Amino acid sequence: SQQGEEDPQTLSIQEGENATMNCSYKTSINNLQWYRQNSGRGLVHLILIRSNEREKHSGRLRVTLDTSKKSSSLLITASRAADTASYFCATDMGSSNTGKLIFGQGTTLQVKP
Amino acid sequence: DGGITQSPKYLFRKEGQNVTLSCEQNLNHDAMYWYRQDPGQGLRLIYYSQIVNDFQKGDIAEGYSVSREKKESFPLTVTSAQKNPTAFYLCASTPTGGFYEQYFGPGTRLTVT
Repeated sequence: SQQGEEDPQTLSIQEGENATMNCSYKTSINNLQWYRQNSGRGLVHLILIRSNEREKHSGRLRVTLDTSKKSSSLLITASRAADTASYFCATDMGSSNTGKLIFGQGTTLQVKP
Repeated sequence: DGGITQSPKYLFRKEGQNVTLSCEQNLNHDAMYWYRQDPGQGLRLIYYSQIVNDFQKGDIAEGYSVSREKKESFPLTVTSAQKNPTAFYLCASTPTGGFYEQYFGPGTRLTVT
């Protein structure tokens, strides 16, 4: 089952522009995570935001979480060609302590030099 | 270097054959996970294990089997009962189940013809 739905599915921007990706989910969560995947590679963790947090920053990344709307956004500022990748949001199971994550289908970002 | 290794990177099998994918971690993590990724899709959980000698089915366990005899190893067998085994398989681990980021291996691309 897919809890996270991401929007847009694909995003193409010029280097230097900002990229915003959105994620919506259905049930209560303890945390929401964002991951990056380069083509044909494993996933790399970017940011984890807990349900009692509203915003988190890491370098050029900014993540917001709105639990009332069950949505999150990932903003990449001043994008670079090296940011070209797929980005996934993942949510935990809320009441479960198994560490199981449910992943969205991802947003494919292309940054043109 | 600490991390998760998966081997081989590419695997080719004939239909009807069982095949085992390797996943090893030296992070001293308790929990390990197997995911399947199809083209343009997010990750779907196959099996997970929170402790040695124990494992649980994920969302798409049919046609797969696992074992967890050692903390550092969590091999996945794709059996001939799996109707559509061609996919990208990713292994991940966390320090313990719940509320942590997952560390991913580089993945194994399995092609069955």
